[in-house]
Amino acid sequence: DQQVKQNSPSLSVQEGRISILNCDYTNSMFDYFLWYKKYPAEGPTFLISISSIKDKNEDGRFTVFLNKSAKHLSLHIVPSQPGDSAVYFCAASEPHRPYNQGGKLIFGQGTELSVKP
Amino acid sequence: SQTIHQWPATLVQPVGSPLSLECTVEGTSNPNLYWYRQAAGRGLQLLFYSVGIGQISSEVPQNLSASRPQDRQFILSSKKLLLSDSGFYLCAWSVAASGPYNEQFFGPGTRLTVL
Repeated sequence: DQQVKQNSPSLSVQEGRISILNCDYTNSMFDYFLWYKKYPAEGPTFLISISSIKDKNEDGRFTVFLNKSAKHLSLHIVPSQPGDSAVYFCAASEPHRPYNQGGKLIFGQGTELSVKP
Repeated sequence: SQTIHQWPATLVQPVGSPLSLECTVEGTSNPNLYWYRQAAGRGLQLLFYSVGIGQISSEVPQNLSASRPQDRQFILSSKKLLLSDSGFYLCAWSVAASGPYNEQFFGPGTRLTVL
């Protein structure tokens, strides 16, 4: 049962254009969402996050949008650069748990972004 | 600042051999620790997490085990490797008392190939 889904395994975008990466989730109790970027043979690095009390969070070229009614979030990268080429994972945090229960993240399958010069 | 180390970076092991992967975190105390696996073409699957020394929670039934002998050390082990254990293993940490906002920080990973 995949609670977090990234239905597009890959995306190709021209440099300077907008990249839009999508993510859907099924558990309406998720209350915190994150995007990670991963280069081959490296660990994921945190990119941006959003809590369920917001519908938008912006950090430089990266903006995450959250649509709770549709259980959908998206990451916008504007303008896209060749260095943005990587696999992007969205993740959701399980409903608030006491800190001594670990606070787990549920990851999607990832979308490989290719930004062409 | 905090750093997370994993070793080895790559490992090739025969089927049936034992496994020990190590993860250590520096610059923080009492972190939550996690082991993930990324199989080829798949997402990140949480294998184990730990909220303290000797406290291990397993997420999926499998051929692996985890231990936390020290506060900032997390070890992934197997007595006999299977072909299906091949993958990219990632260790991560998070601040323990971070409430519902659980940003996790990942190590560089270990590429395991079982032949």
